[in-house]
Amino acid sequence: NAGVTQTPKFRILKIGQSMTLQCTQDMNHNYMYWYRQDPGMGLKLIYYSVGAGITDKGEVPNGYNVSRSTTEDFPLRLELAAPSQTSVYFCASRQRTGGRIGALEKLFFGSGTQLSVL
Amino acid sequence: AQKVTQAQTEISVVEKEDVTLDCVYETRDTTYYLFWYKQPPSGELVFLIRRNSFDEQNEISGRYSWNFQKSTSSFNFTITASQVVDSAVYFCALSEANTGNQFYFGTGTSLTVIP
Repeated sequence: NAGVTQTPKFRILKIGQSMTLQCTQDMNHNYMYWYRQDPGMGLKLIYYSVGAGITDKGEVPNGYNVSRSTTEDFPLRLELAAPSQTSVYFCASRQRTGGRIGALEKLFFGSGTQLSVL
Repeated sequence: AQKVTQAQTEISVVEKEDVTLDCVYETRDTTYYLFWYKQPPSGELVFLIRRNSFDEQNEISGRYSWNFQKSTSSFNFTITASQVVDSAVYFCALSEANTGNQFYFGTGTSLTVIP
C-alpha cells in the first residue's frame, strides 16, 4: 500500500531554475493538496484540487503552478525558483464525501520534499 | 480569520509530567471534523485522531486523551506521563463537511520532553 508518494525527497536548485515536484496517490482520492512548511512554522496551503481537471489557489500560490490531468497525479511546478521557496513541501490526499459519511475521512500525507534554492 | 488556533508555540516538560496541548477552532458548519497530527523530528506527518462534531465523547488511547468541548470550540490533547519519544510538533486541524474544500491547520505546538 503505497499511499501518497512524493519525489524527489531532496533537491537543491539554483536561483532561476525550474523544477516539478511529483505527487502520486493510489487510493483513488478525489481531493489533493500541496502544502509548504518553512522551518519552525506550520503548514501553508499552496494549491489544491477537488478532482481531475480542477485546481484552485490556496494561501500562498505565487511562484507555483499545478495541474491535475488524472485522479492519481498532482504535480507542483516551480518556475524561476527563488530563495523564498526554500521549504519542505508536502503533498496530501483525501476522499471527501462530506456529511456524516465523511466521518471516516482523514488527510493522508506524503513523506515530503526538502527543497533548497541557493 | 484563523480557523484553528494553537496558542502555545513551544512547551517543555520533564519526563513523566502530564502536558495538555490546546486547540481552539472556528466554524459555522454544523458538521465538521477535528484532527490531531504529530510531526516527529524525522519530519513525516502522523495521524493521531479524528473527532466528529456529532460525537462528543472524549477519547483515551493509552497515554493520550482528547477533550472535545463544543461549548468552547476546543479540542485539547493531553499526554499523560510524557516520554522523550513524545517530543514533536503537534498540529490541530479542522475539516468542514458541508462548506469549503480546505483542510485547515493550526500553526503547531512544539513539545520537548526533557529526560
